[in-house]
Amino acid sequence: DTGVSQDPRHKITKRGQNVTFRCDPISEHNRLYWYRQTLGQGPEFLTYFQNEAQLEKSRLLSDRFSAERPKGSFSTLEIQRTEQGDSAMYLCASSPLLGLVNEQYFGPGTRLTVT
Amino acid sequence: AQTVTQSQPEMSVQEAETVTLSCTYDTSESDYYLFWYKQPPSRQMILVIRQEAYKQQNATENRFSVNFQKAAKSFSLKISDSQLGDAAMYFCGQTSGSRLTFGEGTQLTVNP
Repeated sequence: DTGVSQDPRHKITKRGQNVTFRCDPISEHNRLYWYRQTLGQGPEFLTYFQNEAQLEKSRLLSDRFSAERPKGSFSTLEIQRTEQGDSAMYLCASSPLLGLVNEQYFGPGTRLTVT
Repeated sequence: AQTVTQSQPEMSVQEAETVTLSCTYDTSESDYYLFWYKQPPSRQMILVIRQEAYKQQNATENRFSVNFQKAAKSFSLKISDSQLGDAAMYFCGQTSGSRLTFGEGTQLTVNP
């Protein structure tokens, strides 16, 4: 399977704990995006990388959130001191740098539950 | 700022019939792209169809087609010959280059 993959698929954590999610994009895609989706809503943009450079961050990405893509391949999203309001589906997407640059392909998501 | 509005939280259609999902958007950009994504229950987002704003011709992908009205900033999705597998949440999205801005979604039910 050469699609976008995310790990873990589900994460349950206690309030105040740190969590880290991983995303592996489609191999030839230079751009990688993180979104958050709460129940019954559309995904909301968090941040975006082109290769290893983080080019854009949403106001939703508070200082408890950090994303990295150190080698321009996989990316991690870390949430520190989790709060109940962080419970959501975290989606990763990727797109090519050239060609259909705006066509984003999504992974299955990581569902986070903060208790 | 970009905004996308889907005014139909829920729609239903009989199998083999046609249904149209509505979407309006607002952007100050002159060059942008519009998308419809499908999200089945507990499954990942799947790209259904794409429309480049500079193209006047409406995009078509098999049973899926769009009605793109640029002046009205309207981008509706028509599903012909609806199938049970079309049941899902449908999201309209718009981008000018990086972030996708999505609407609230329309839950489509297909009745046998």
